[in-house]
Amino acid sequence: KQEVTQIPAALSVPEGENLVLNCSFTDSAIYNLQWFRQDPGKGLTSLLLIQSSQREQTSGRLNASLDKSSGRSTLYIAASQPGDSATYLCAVISSGSARQLTFGSGTQLTVLP
Amino acid sequence: NAGVTQTPKFRILKIGQSMTLQCTQDMNHNYMYWYRQDPGMGLKLIYYSVGAGITDKGEVPNGYNVSRSTTEDFPLRLELAAPSQTSVYFCGSRGQETQYFGPGTRLLVL
Repeated sequence: KQEVTQIPAALSVPEGENLVLNCSFTDSAIYNLQWFRQDPGKGLTSLLLIQSSQREQTSGRLNASLDKSSGRSTLYIAASQPGDSATYLCAVISSGSARQLTFGSGTQLTVLP
Repeated sequence: NAGVTQTPKFRILKIGQSMTLQCTQDMNHNYMYWYRQDPGMGLKLIYYSVGAGITDKGEVPNGYNVSRSTTEDFPLRLELAAPSQTSVYFCGSRGQETQYFGPGTRLLVL
């Protein structure tokens, strides 16, 4: 059974800092990995999708990397802003026909002005 | 293009009552999913569907039922609501690669 772990559970940084969020998974036979953002009381917004054949994806100040062999992914946020404050969820997409997602518990990020 | 829509946004149920959570997507996606999210946790898969007429259980299906008569709609039925079903429910759909989610339904069972 796939298990996804995110460390740290919570992180507080001053505005302008670069930061890294970590995600690890137990079964390397994945199809894709997707990072989401969730604001309090809201739904999930997709940030980046990394296919299993890729090593990284970039979107603006966000960069996500994937190392399948070691079962790790990182989300790098450059020059953090208070508007980045949210919970960040990592989800591993299975190789099975259902392509279901297994989620980590998330990292709650607070960027202080 | 509304994406994935869910109704209602919030509902209070009494123990033993039943209800249906509605989910509709307008992206012509074959894959649809129901997840629940408990406080401080990630999402857990309840049921999924790979196309109209085809559904299957996820990780936590007990106490729920689904149907998929059209590509667009994937309702989730709660029979005999229990306090353990207090949660936020997210419906999702998947196209080629990316998974999309609705805004969620917050359910409180008292």
